[in-house]
Amino acid sequence: GDSVTQMEGPVTLSEEAFLTINCTYTATGYPSLFWYVQYPGEGLQLLLKATKADDKGSNKGFEATYRKETTSFHLEKGSVQVSDSAVYFCALTSANQAGTALIFGKGTTLSVSS
Amino acid sequence: NAGVTQTPKFQVLKTGQSMTLQCAQDMNHNSMYWYRQDPGMGLRLIYYSASEGTTDKGEVPNGYNVSRLNKREFSLRLESAAPSQTSVYFCASSEGPGSGNTIYFGEGSWLTVV
Repeated sequence: GDSVTQMEGPVTLSEEAFLTINCTYTATGYPSLFWYVQYPGEGLQLLLKATKADDKGSNKGFEATYRKETTSFHLEKGSVQVSDSAVYFCALTSANQAGTALIFGKGTTLSVSS
Repeated sequence: NAGVTQTPKFQVLKTGQSMTLQCAQDMNHNSMYWYRQDPGMGLRLIYYSASEGTTDKGEVPNGYNVSRLNKREFSLRLESAAPSQTSVYFCASSEGPGSGNTIYFGEGSWLTVV
């Protein structure tokens, strides 16, 4: 079945460092790809998405490009801030069943120190 | 904007007790979902409702039942709670089953079964 694999954390960075969180997927068909962020004690918020190959999603300085040839959707940010500390989830929409739902990776915890 | 509202936020149950988690969305969305989040497991789909009047099992449906009461509301019931159901539960909604549609999450319900 469809699945998402993302790098295990925690990822610990200093403020202003470059961030990459790797995400690869397995899917039949043409899924849409998402990054969600979860701040402590809160629900998940959409960070960015891409709906077709070569699309780049971007938001709040974060970017990810939908690479069909490598089945990847890596999250990057050029200069992280302490406020970026959170858990990041890569996800895809799976249309294997009667509807579509998100399939999530296990999450990567990012901790940024000043 | 309330978005997706779920209640209760915190609950402690004894093994064998029953309870219902309530969820309502005010975005006129067609599809609704229930996920559970466990450490190191990411989010896993319990049940979803692609549209009013339909429900389908997700990845981990055992021990749960759902009711799509109307377009706004989607409840999750634990008939006989078990310690393995200790988790954080998230309700979510989207416009419909299209793969590019964003899924919006509630703030979560922390459930402990003792």
